[in-house]
Amino acid sequence: DAGITQSPRHKVTETGTPVTLRCHQTENHRYMYWYRQDPGHGLRLIHYSYGVKDTDKGEVSDGYSVSRSKTEDFLLTLESATSSQTSVYFCAISERAGGPPGELFFGEGSRLTVL
Amino acid sequence: GNSVTQMEGPVTLSEEAFLTINCTYTATGYPSLFWYVQYPGEGLQLLLKATKADDKGSNKGFEATYRKETTSFHLEKGSVQVSDSAVYFCASRQIIQGAQKLVFGQGTRLTINP
Repeated sequence: DAGITQSPRHKVTETGTPVTLRCHQTENHRYMYWYRQDPGHGLRLIHYSYGVKDTDKGEVSDGYSVSRSKTEDFLLTLESATSSQTSVYFCAISERAGGPPGELFFGEGSRLTVL
Repeated sequence: GNSVTQMEGPVTLSEEAFLTINCTYTATGYPSLFWYVQYPGEGLQLLLKATKADDKGSNKGFEATYRKETTSFHLEKGSVQVSDSAVYFCASRQIIQGAQKLVFGQGTRLTINP
């Protein structure tokens, strides 16, 4: 298994509260991604990172911010959670530094419920 | 932008039945195509891939052929097992700034009954 740890794995919160999800990797992969999974939509890219402090938006980035202060950690923050952000969030990684394009490896997911 | 459309599920089959899950894509150029599988309570795992037209990806008895004429990448297996019960996602890939941006279909839930 790729060394990807997501935390927390489950969280219930209330509308308007801030939430941070953490993705930690031990694989020294350059690229990290946050996806959300919703019924009928598959997985949709929220944000991704192509290096320390280098991030960019995906297709559903509104209401989310990210930070990557070191190679192994990629944080996803909901500044003020809304019910529409209830979802399962997956972190993914790819490409050891200097390697060719290859497979994405996914974490086990973080289930977020916003009441 | 790229998009991927999968046949809607859920799909329920008996063990040893033949499986087809349809997938079509729209894209500029010829993106690499993937099938991912998600077992209950887990993240996605790569099942197979094809990087150019007429390539056939295969793994664990599953196959899919990249057909540019029909912009399709249908997943097939000749004889399914109970352990194949999972959600299957078709995806196309763009590489932007070196990062792999996968566009997923909506997923197809497959249940195999003994």
